[in-house]
Amino acid sequence: GEDVEQSLFLSVREGDSSVINCTYTDSSSTYLYWYKQEPGAGLQLLTYIFSNMDMKQDQRLTVLLNKKDKHLSLRIADTQTGDSAIYFCAEITNAGKSTFGDGTTLTVKP
Amino acid sequence: GAVVSQHPSRVICKSGTSVKIECRSLDFQATTMFWYRQFPKQSLMLMATSNEGSKATYEQGVEKDKFLINHASLTLSTLTVTSAHPEDSSFYICSASGTSGNTDTQYFGPGTRLTVL
Repeated sequence: GEDVEQSLFLSVREGDSSVINCTYTDSSSTYLYWYKQEPGAGLQLLTYIFSNMDMKQDQRLTVLLNKKDKHLSLRIADTQTGDSAIYFCAEITNAGKSTFGDGTTLTVKP
Repeated sequence: GAVVSQHPSRVICKSGTSVKIECRSLDFQATTMFWYRQFPKQSLMLMATSNEGSKATYEQGVEKDKFLINHASLTLSTLTVTSAHPEDSSFYICSASGTSGNTDTQYFGPGTRLTVL
């Protein structure tokens, strides 16, 4: 079945770039999403990319998609302490089914 | 990761009937559960946040009398779509949040596809 995997933890220093990686298995994925979850809150959609794109940039966020390797990454430039949160990647297939990763906890140290 | 189940996975009902969807955390205690709705080819929309033993907090625009949420225990939350209509047809996903070690994290159920005829 479908599977989405992420590393569980990432720690960076304030001002550095953060790169959160995600792999997925379903080749029929049409959309791939990145969500942010702050403590006690629900998901916040950060950005998404269509499966026919390689890259999308939105201010400090850059999403890279390698469809051949089924690899998705989220780069946060100039990471701030307010970026500390859990980041989820998710794929949505042609059938409309969502599969989420377990989330990567990003810790930003001053 | 932890396991969150939803039941049923798929339901078809007639307009005007009510449908209950269960969300269970199978191997951890979920202090908070979230209910999301996903329209075709769109991202998730948070509907409500429920904490065990208290009333759910609904997002703006979500009718609380239409979408009844009960979080009676640390392992079970239910969403009841009352008097369902075709426009309620959607994919409903729950997630459960609890503490694993020193980290609060959130695990998603597989979703329930509701079709209202």
